[in-house]
Amino acid sequence: DTEVTQTPKHLVMGMTNKKSLKCEQHMGHRAMYWYKQKAKKPPELMFVYSYEKLSINESVPSRFSPECPNSSLLNLHLHALQPEDSALYLCASSQRTDPYEQYFGPGTRLTVT
Amino acid sequence: AQSVTQPDIHITVSEGASLELRCNYSYGATPYLFWYVQSPGQGLQLLLKYFSGDTLVQGIKGFEAEFKRSQSSFNLRKPSVHWSDAAEYFCAVGNQAGTALIFGKGTTLSVSS
Repeated sequence: DTEVTQTPKHLVMGMTNKKSLKCEQHMGHRAMYWYKQKAKKPPELMFVYSYEKLSINESVPSRFSPECPNSSLLNLHLHALQPEDSALYLCASSQRTDPYEQYFGPGTRLTVT
Repeated sequence: AQSVTQPDIHITVSEGASLELRCNYSYGATPYLFWYVQSPGQGLQLLLKYFSGDTLVQGIKGFEAEFKRSQSSFNLRKPSVHWSDAAEYFCAVGNQAGTALIFGKGTTLSVSS
């Protein structure tokens, strides 16, 4: 199984809402990533988890809160977002020892109204 | 600092014609280089990678890429393009810290019949 799954596929939320994005992999990967991708742009790294611990936070605003409950699951909690946060949010995973060969999920298309 | 440049924003090729997508990198040591493809509304899929050894690497879907250190390039090629190859293509380099990928801005490939 080389699949990374993400739910939901689409999400529309108001600026005062709280929502969560979910990512799951069953490849035994111990590194997991959140990326943000705006239209016609490359993915931008947001967070990296290694062995369920946050190892990289690329100066992401606190309205984005990641969580890694176990080695297969990665969440991104959203609160008080701005319209400019509308984007495709991609999750990826990799072997801890091979951080570059990443397997990506299909993404969650987020719209903030 | 490492960087990746994809000089072509958009390329159109006829179905059955050959394809070459350009990628130039800036990196102090031997780079870890990748090509990813993204179909509309989807996540990224790894096409091929170069770490060391043979400078011509074969990937999935009939793609290949050649690493040329003297030109700091890692161009992607395919001898005969299919309509299903229409997508966004990203070249990436692994960062020196060994923690993340640095993506180029991407090249949009359109295939005409």
